Amino acid sequence: DTAVSQTPKYLVTQMGNDKSIKCEQNLGHDTMYWYKQDSKKFLKIMFSYNNKELIINETVPNRFSPKSPDKAHLNLHINSLELGDSAVYFCASSQDGLPYEQYFGPGTRLTVT
Amino acid sequence: AQKITQTQPGMFVQEKEAVTLDCTYDTSDPSYGLFWYKQPSSGEMIFLIYQGSYDQQNATEGRYSLNFQKARKSANLVISASQLGDSAMYFCAMREVPGSARQLTFGSGTQLTVLP
Repeated sequence: DTAVSQTPKYLVTQMGNDKSIKCEQNLGHDTMYWYKQDSKKFLKIMFSYNNKELIINETVPNRFSPKSPDKAHLNLHINSLELGDSAVYFCASSQDGLPYEQYFGPGTRLTVT
Repeated sequence: AQKITQTQPGMFVQEKEAVTLDCTYDTSDPSYGLFWYKQPSSGEMIFLIYQGSYDQQNATEGRYSLNFQKARKSANLVISASQLGDSAMYFCAMREVPGSARQLTFGSGTQLTVLP
């Protein structure tokens, strides 16, 4: 059983397009996250949702919009894709309560041409 | 200022030997958690070990142990008896506990190569 799953695993698209990445977790966790890993492998938080409410929104362009239909799903929609959006996007989830370790999905490698 | 610092971009270790991956952190919060993750070449992020700021003993998980020195603000990962499958990128991360925020702040990673 996959704990945190993401689709698609690879996404190649052209500049200006709109795309979505889907994430689902079957761990019963209350908090879900989106991270971006750049070409230098640096990981940075983008968004966090706790019980369908946004609790973190780092300095991410408003072209990125997270959508959480329920606490098991957190999708990432990206409008007007730019070359600099090329990266690996990871979804993660954690339980409420210590130690809050986060379990990551397999990642989605987005390439914008 | 960087909150998590990993000063070793790359490390090499001989198979079956132990290796220490360094991590220092910076926080003014008394309550925080420290994590290590492994990212093999296949790309997934694998949770390895956790240390809470109030934990009295160093965390251990199988061949992984965390050398936690609170006064020095360091949380080094020790891998004993290295195996070829340990070759991967290793990330140190911290979670501070201000309010309800639960984000992880990651270091830049250390690429570990285990030599046969």
